[in-house]
Amino acid sequence: DTGVSQNPRHKITKRGQNVTFRCDPISEHNRLYWYRQTLGQGPEFLTYFQNEAQLEKSRLLSDRFSAERPKGSFSTLEIQRTEQGDSAMYLCASSSELAFTYEQYFGPGTRLTVT
Amino acid sequence: QKEVEQNSGPLSVPEGAIASLNCTYSDRGSQSFFWYRQYSGKSPELIMFIYSNGDKEDGRFTAQLNKASQYVSLLIRDSQPSDSATYLCAVYGSSNTGKLIFGQGTTLQVKP
Repeated sequence: DTGVSQNPRHKITKRGQNVTFRCDPISEHNRLYWYRQTLGQGPEFLTYFQNEAQLEKSRLLSDRFSAERPKGSFSTLEIQRTEQGDSAMYLCASSSELAFTYEQYFGPGTRLTVT
Repeated sequence: QKEVEQNSGPLSVPEGAIASLNCTYSDRGSQSFFWYRQYSGKSPELIMFIYSNGDKEDGRFTAQLNKASQYVSLLIRDSQPSDSATYLCAVYGSSNTGKLIFGQGTTLQVKP
């Protein structure tokens, strides 16, 4: 049973560029979540999908952020016109709706640095 | 008031001692509670979850939940230097949301 995978693991980009991250959840998990974490803080929720439906988005997810999960399997998170404040660890997690507590399992994260 | 509050620490304990990590939450309707361990530069790793009042034990870890006091704790027995990490408390709110709400984490240092 492979865990959640994320690519790339690290991304350095210049301010104003667009970036896209990919997340592959645990294979039998139908829920997929995106979080952002900055130094010294706990992860902050961005959005989540149940199958291909995006069910919830945080106010943190500005117009520059978009997430997709077109076939209910992998997901992508795109940030357009990156700003220095976007520098953070972007975490993906997945869970199964069959699990009583919907416990979430995290991938290794993508560390974004905007210069 | 923050939705999930933890003392950021650091909490320092000697090797072999019991480490006690605490968390309070504001949403009285919250149902499920989670503890994650996060090593520096790594992603959070789920170590315990609890949804009923009382204690839940798993090896050296015990999670304790008191919904009346809106309080959840994690005890680590026989602490090892490898337990040195940040421990994150997370809660699902009562509004049937998929959002886990995290505290800022408590840094634990276990000294040999």
